This record gives sequence, C-alpha cells and structure tokens, in this order.
Amino acid sequence: QVQLVESGGGLVKPGGSLRLSCAASGFTFSDYYMSWIRQAPGKGLEWVSYISSSGSTIYYADSVKGRFTISRDNAKNSLYLQMNSLRAEDTAVYYCARLTTHRSNFDYWGQGTLVTVSS
Amino acid sequence: EIVLTQSPATLSLSPGERATLSCRASQSVSSYLAWYQQKPGQAPRLLIYDASNRATGIPARFSGSGSGTDFTLTISSLEPEDFAVYYCQQRSNWPPVPFTFGPGTKVDIK
Repeated sequence: QVQLVESGGGLVKPGGSLRLSCAASGFTFSDYYMSWIRQAPGKGLEWVSYISSSGSTIYYADSVKGRFTISRDNAKNSLYLQMNSLRAEDTAVYYCARLTTHRSNFDYWGQGTLVTVSS
Repeated sequence: EIVLTQSPATLSLSPGERATLSCRASQSVSSYLAWYQQKPGQAPRLLIYDASNRATGIPARFSGSGSGTDFTLTISSLEPEDFAVYYCQQRSNWPPVPFTFGPGTKVDIK
C-alpha cells in the first residue's frame, strides 16, 4: 500500500534552517509528481511547492519562494524540502502528498511533521 | 490567484441527517475541484475529484456536483465518523499559484 512518511521537523529559531524528508513506498515514486502542503496550528491548508516526476519542473507558493527548495531522489524514493530563513509564520505541520496522475489533486498524504519557528 | 470560499463555516447536524456543503470559486475552475475530509490529528483524505468523482474507497453517501464557480459536497446520511472538517481545493492554470484550498467547513454533532 502507498505510504508517505515525513521526518525532520522540530523547533528552530527565526532565521534558522531545517530539512524535511519524505520516504515513499508502495508505488513507483519516479512516476509521480509530489508536493508539500502545510497547515498552521488551527488553520487551513496551504500548498507550498510541487516537483515533477523527473525533478525538472518546480513551483513554489509566493510565501516561500526564495527561501524553500524542493528536491527529490528517485533512486531513494525520497522527497525533500530545504527550508532556510525560517519565520514564525512558517510554523505548521508539513505534509508530503502525491499528486494524482492527472495532477489536479492529492490522493495520498503523509502523517505530517511539525515545524515550530520560535525563539 | 483563484480564491475559494466555503459555506457555512460550521454545520451542526445529527447522525442520519443530510449535509450540504458549498464551495465557490472567484473565477471558473472548470471541473478541477476536489473535496477532502480531515479529522483531528489526521492528514486530509481525498473524497471527491474533478467535482463529482469519488476517490477510491469512498462510500457512496458522499457525492459532489457543480462546475465553473459553484460546487457542492453532499453527504446523504451522516455517519458518526463523518463529523470532521471538509476542504475544497482547485487546480488552476499557473502561474502564479497552481493549487489553492478553501478555508474549510466544520461538520459537528448537534
């Protein structure tokens, strides 16, 4: 069965960095676009970034552009999010999600990893 | 950027009742509209995609309709496990933002 398992979250000071990972299993990872979506405590969902199956196409939300970098390693079935210059407003649960084959929706999600930015 | 508005913010109903949730887009999204269910402490789950197609394993009591700017998620008869928050999500032609979510509708027990 499809599994997505995030790791790497934690407490970081404003201006600091963190790297999130997402380990995928149960499907052919290299066939799918992948995305990061976040949810601030008690708030709604915010799309953060997506990456194409080969890694050649990448998009970011304006709120993270220039600070976050998405990448993938298809040989390791893994997705990453490098987060730099973190701000208090980046505090959220970060979900790794798989895009459907027609790339309109997210059909599988990980359990999420909490990132807290605070001094 | 396409903005999604959901109504009502909260829907208080009893088990067995029918739930009707609305999602409105600030401009046409064709049929590129999905619905997700999220329970406390859990990740969202895809319920409906392309406005009216149930995702794998989703019970028939969940149905979606609409196109363009107005969409509806209907739960025909609420089960205890259906009390949750529901989000709509659209995919637009980018740039700038390819995916946006609505603010959510909470369905709670009356």
